[in-house]
Amino acid sequence: AQRVTQPEKLLSVFKGAPVELKCNYSYSGSPELFWYVQYSRQRLQLLLRHISRESIKGFTADLNKGETSFHLKKPFAQEEDSAMYYCALGRGGATNKLIFGTGTLLAVQP
Amino acid sequence: SAVISQKPSRDICQRGTSLTIQCQVDSQVTMMFWYRQQPGQSLTLIATANQGSEATYESGFVIDKFPISRPNLTFSTLTVSNMCPEDSSIYLCSVARGTMVLEQFFGPGTRLTVL
Repeated sequence: AQRVTQPEKLLSVFKGAPVELKCNYSYSGSPELFWYVQYSRQRLQLLLRHISRESIKGFTADLNKGETSFHLKKPFAQEEDSAMYYCALGRGGATNKLIFGTGTLLAVQP
Repeated sequence: SAVISQKPSRDICQRGTSLTIQCQVDSQVTMMFWYRQQPGQSLTLIATANQGSEATYESGFVIDKFPISRPNLTFSTLTVSNMCPEDSSIYLCSVARGTMVLEQFFGPGTRLTVL
């Protein structure tokens, strides 16, 4: 079964500290992984996708097929990074759909 | 990106009644989706709204409970029928363009409370 696991409901760090939001997935096919973010009072939006290998707002995420992980990292957290982060697994082909994890609330303390 | 609006933004309803949620997009999109986010839970896909044909429902969701319409490429509705308190959730519309189906843009959500 396809599943996305985000083990931490809340991650609290101080400004300037490194951040790692964990995401593990279960999928027998070739996965597409995404991170979505929801800032306070804003709608859910795409942060980054693994196929782009891009850095957005200082965040990066590397797909590790051996460990079935797609952790989100940032070397120096900023207060404006405080938000809810959702890891999502994409199933392509005829059954295009996203499967979301339960989310991690990142709180960056000043 | 796409600008997506939902109506209503929130509602409080009585058990046994029905509510229709509207989703409007500012441009034509290939795919529209409806999600539910129950309190403390993640987003769960209810169905894919297909233009000109019946929606495709996910396991655990049925047309009688969640009828969906999509009359054109910019508009869709989701009805929550015969509501009970367990239907209290945030309902989200999302859209995708072209072949990038998995890169979705989300509406602001409709917060539904059923008494």
